[in-house]
Amino acid sequence: ELKVEQNPLFLSMQEGKNYTIYCNYSTTSDRLYWYRQDPGKSLESLFVLLSNGAVKQEGRLMASLDTKARLSTLHITAAVHDLSATYFCAVDSSNTGKLIFGQGTTLQVKP
Amino acid sequence: NAGVTQTPKFRILKIGQSMTLQCAQDMNHNYMYWYRQDPGMGLKLIYYSVGAGITDKGEVPNGYNVSRSTTEDFPLRLELAAPSQTSVYFCASSRDRGLEQFFGPGTRLTVL
Repeated sequence: ELKVEQNPLFLSMQEGKNYTIYCNYSTTSDRLYWYRQDPGKSLESLFVLLSNGAVKQEGRLMASLDTKARLSTLHITAAVHDLSATYFCAVDSSNTGKLIFGQGTTLQVKP
Repeated sequence: NAGVTQTPKFRILKIGQSMTLQCAQDMNHNYMYWYRQDPGMGLKLIYYSVGAGITDKGEVPNGYNVSRSTTEDFPLRLELAAPSQTSVYFCASSRDRGLEQFFGPGTRLTVL
């Protein structure tokens, strides 16, 4: 059974600092997705990573995938308050579109 | 394009009642999905569909049914509501299985 674990589950950081969210998964997969969710809102797609070594960047966020280590990272550079949200990673291990989500990492960026 | 739409936004049901959550997309996507999100948790897949007439179970299908008679619509049916089905329900769609999924705004369901 595929399990997806995120670390940390809660992160409080100062504006301007850097930090990394980790997403580990238990079975082979080369498809990993990152989503953002604001409180009481729906999910917004951030990144789709479809191969080993894939790296994608958008603004202050950069995501990478290491399929051999079964690990994806979401790196935040010089955090700003607008990045406060919950971030989810999700894995498709069976190439069917059936996503298994992590528990989410709630990021709070303080001025 | 409206994207993925869901109705209703909120609903309160009594134990044992039935209801249908509606989901529609106007992006001509083949793949559609139903998830539930319990407080403070990630999403869990209930059912999904790869095209009209084809559906399959996800992680947590018990207590739910789906149908997919058209490409656009993917309703989720709760036959005998139970308190354990109190959750936020999200519908999503994607053009293909390896591509990003687009989520609807969600339906917040409470069963009392």
